[in-house]
Amino acid sequence: EAGVAQSPRYKIIEKRQSVAFWCNPISGHATLYWYQQILGQGPKLLIQFQNNGVVDDSQLPKDRFSAERLKGVDSTLKIQPAKLEDSAVYLCASSFESSANTEAFFGQGTRLTVV
Amino acid sequence: GQNIDQPTEMTATEGAIVQINCTYQTSGFNGLFWYQQHAGEAPTFLSYNVLDGLEEKGRFSSFLSRSKGYSYLLLKELQMKDSASYLCAVRDRGGSYIPTFGRGTSLIVHP
Repeated sequence: EAGVAQSPRYKIIEKRQSVAFWCNPISGHATLYWYQQILGQGPKLLIQFQNNGVVDDSQLPKDRFSAERLKGVDSTLKIQPAKLEDSAVYLCASSFESSANTEAFFGQGTRLTVV
Repeated sequence: GQNIDQPTEMTATEGAIVQINCTYQTSGFNGLFWYQQHAGEAPTFLSYNVLDGLEEKGRFSSFLSRSKGYSYLLLKELQMKDSASYLCAVRDRGGSYIPTFGRGTSLIVHP
């Protein structure tokens, strides 16, 4: 079974530039999550999708971050414009459903460095 | 909201046993996960507890006490490859079942 795919693996940009990350979840997984993991910290949820609808985006900085999952499969996360504090690993995860005991499967992440 | 606390770092010797603790405060508890994350890699699922008691899975066991807001992950017969960060994540009773992660415990296993 193929895992969660993310690209690119690494990205270096200057502050105030824009960047986009792509995620392809495990086939058949309805729930998709984007997490931000700053070095030395645990992952922090940015947004959760159920199919192509947003379930929770309460921690997404909407003035600069946006995400979409138009056809309920792939998803993109965009930052525009980037700030130095956005340097982190952006993890995409998916699960079959969003019930309480369903674990999430994570991709390898995109390591973003903003200089 | 949730508050999750884990030790930042632990060290142990190959072949030994180590216990990684996690305490949490939540307005409504609906399950606790442990994930393992090697440096530069994705977190991988280890265990899930929703009822009190011990869940054993090979060399790894996870314990939960809901009344104390406490869990631990027990690793037996430590191997060098167990050096990683161990993340505790708690789900609350909110409708979206989103787990909130702790900062993680960095475990260093030395010969």
